Amino acid sequence: EVQLVASGGGLVQPGGSLRLSCAVSGFTVTSNHMSWVRQAPGKGLEWVSIIYGAGRTNYADSVKGRFTISRDNSKNTLYLQMNSLRADDTAVYYCARVPVYSSAWHFFDYWGQGTLVTVSS
Amino acid sequence: QSALTQPASVSGSPGQSITISCTGTSDDVGSYNLVSWYQQHPGKAPKLMIYEVSKRPSGLSNRFSGSKSGNTASLTISGLQAEDEADYYCCSYAGSSTLVFGGGTKLTVL
Repeated sequence: EVQLVASGGGLVQPGGSLRLSCAVSGFTVTSNHMSWVRQAPGKGLEWVSIIYGAGRTNYADSVKGRFTISRDNSKNTLYLQMNSLRADDTAVYYCARVPVYSSAWHFFDYWGQGTLVTVSS
Repeated sequence: QSALTQPASVSGSPGQSITISCTGTSDDVGSYNLVSWYQQHPGKAPKLMIYEVSKRPSGLSNRFSGSKSGNTASLTISGLQAEDEADYYCCSYAGSSTLVFGGGTKLTVL
């Protein structure tokens, strides 16, 4: 059974750092492209970052240079390192999987339950 | 990258059909047949409903269908049921390995 379990959220001061984790099971984290998507309270979804199966990464302009996506094959876990956090980074962060059957990545078949990041003094 | 434009809310009675529009630009929706739709109930993670404009994931009801014309994609739900009440988001590939989501539409089943 495919599962994604996100963790690591919490309260952090502006300018601070936080690392989110997404432990996956039922598949290997390198066999699929993986992404982070966030949702500010009461707002819509926003794509944040992707890491391809081969390891290439990309980011939304709003987080480029501050966030880093990575993975640990031995732990079958996806990460999002978030630095220089701002109030507008406050959101629920979801990890999500791109299915291998997708002809071109643009959608996600499995999502984690989300972890809340609050940036406030 | 600006968010795709969706109506804030739509409503319909049980058994009726509704359509949610999603308007982008020639840089995203208009350039790629890579539009997906998600359903999200309060406090839950999004659920994939449509991908590649009109394809349904295995096991999903055929009451849900998708289409696209020019820069606008659409999600149609036929035979509305109470459990369809949720937020719906469109999403499009936007080039250069990026995605853009719509602002979301709240569906109310009257």
